Formats: sequence, C-alpha cells, structure tokens
Amino acid sequence: QKEVEQDPGPLSVPEGAIVSLNCTYSNSAFQYFMWYRQYSRKGPELLMYTYSSGNKEDGRFTAQVDKSSKYISLFIRDSQPSDSATYLCAMNAGGTSYGKLTFGQGTILTVHP
Amino acid sequence: DAEITQSPRHKITETGRQVTLACHQTWNHNNMFWYRQDLGHGLRLIHYSYGVQDTNKGEVSDGYSVSRSNTEDLPLTLESAASSQTSVYFCASSESPTGLRTYEQYFGPGTRLTVT
Repeated sequence: QKEVEQDPGPLSVPEGAIVSLNCTYSNSAFQYFMWYRQYSRKGPELLMYTYSSGNKEDGRFTAQVDKSSKYISLFIRDSQPSDSATYLCAMNAGGTSYGKLTFGQGTILTVHP
Repeated sequence: DAEITQSPRHKITETGRQVTLACHQTWNHNNMFWYRQDLGHGLRLIHYSYGVQDTNKGEVSDGYSVSRSNTEDLPLTLESAASSQTSVYFCASSESPTGLRTYEQYFGPGTRLTVT
C-alpha cells in the first residue's frame, strides 16, 4: 500500500462547478501538507500549503486537513478552464526528513467551458 | 529572476548507454532533489542532496547516481540506461530549514527521456 493515495481520475467538470480533490495517507508523522498544480508538459508548482489540521483559504481554493482521519482535501470554487491541470498532494513529516516530500499519484482535472 | 533549469528537455538514448541529465538552480538553495514521474505513480524520489558533497538515496535510486560539487548543480547519471527508465525526470530545490516555507520545492521544467 502506498503511503499517500490519490484518485487519479480523470475528473471532468463544467465551468463554474465546485471541484473536490482528495488524498488519504497512512503515515501519522506527516505534519505538512501541500497541493501542487502541474500544467501539461510543465513542472509542478506549489498551490496551497497547510501545517497540521484545519482549513486554509486562498481565493477560489480551500485546503482542508483532517489528521484524525488522515485525509486532506482541496476544493476549487467557480472552476475555470484555466484550472485544467494535474493536482498532486504532497506531505512531509518535518524533523530530520525536512526536505523530503511524499507525493500522491496526481488527479487529472479538466474544466470544460 | 531566480530559476531552475534542466537540460536536455528531450533525450532519446539506447539501452546500455550512460546518460547524464543536468539540473541548475539560481535560487542558492541548499536542498536539491531528483524525481521521476510515471503514469499511475506520481512523483517518486530518486536522489536528494542537502548541500555540497552530500547525497542520499530516495525510494527508486537503483541504476541512478548523483554528485554535488557546488550549490547550483545536481547532475543525475543513469549508469547503463534501461527501458524501464523511460520517464519524465524533474529536478527540484528548496531552501534550508528556516520556517514553514522550507518544505516548498521549486521544480524545473522536466526532461523527457526515452530509452530504446
């Protein structure tokens, strides 16, 4: 079993829809949770960053972390065609593993006009 | 502007050949990483370095090596290329631990490698 599980999709939604992307994990030491966005044939770029449990909002994007359930989510409101990309969750345990990220498989999202 | 670059962007090589992929960053970051990305597997860590002369194995290091002689560069070498190493390779860097932003990694544009 992978440490981080993410439904690869693909996910196709109409413009304006609310999108929910999710990851589950098994390592209870993970404390830092990130979402990266990757456009086709490009490198990933950081989208959202959360420490420990709770919610974080940035414009149309909301990241949620539930450490008790080992479950994280990314919500996209009023989705746009420009949101079409692969979304990767990533996690880190901190401490001596401070540099290393463990990634999910990535979810391919298409928002059609 | 600071950036991270990779070369070549595309490479086709034959089985058994040695191949080196270059990664150069101008962020002045101490930490550098190499990943491979394959469908269904996401990003998997190959090797990483926390500073000059420091290198460490990741989860899929067999058949790969790295060396770190300066802060800016971390070349990835495939000792004897195999078809299973056909993949997209990403280099990334991050700063030394000074707070939460430590964990943010900046990625290069990737190198698409085909081994025939």
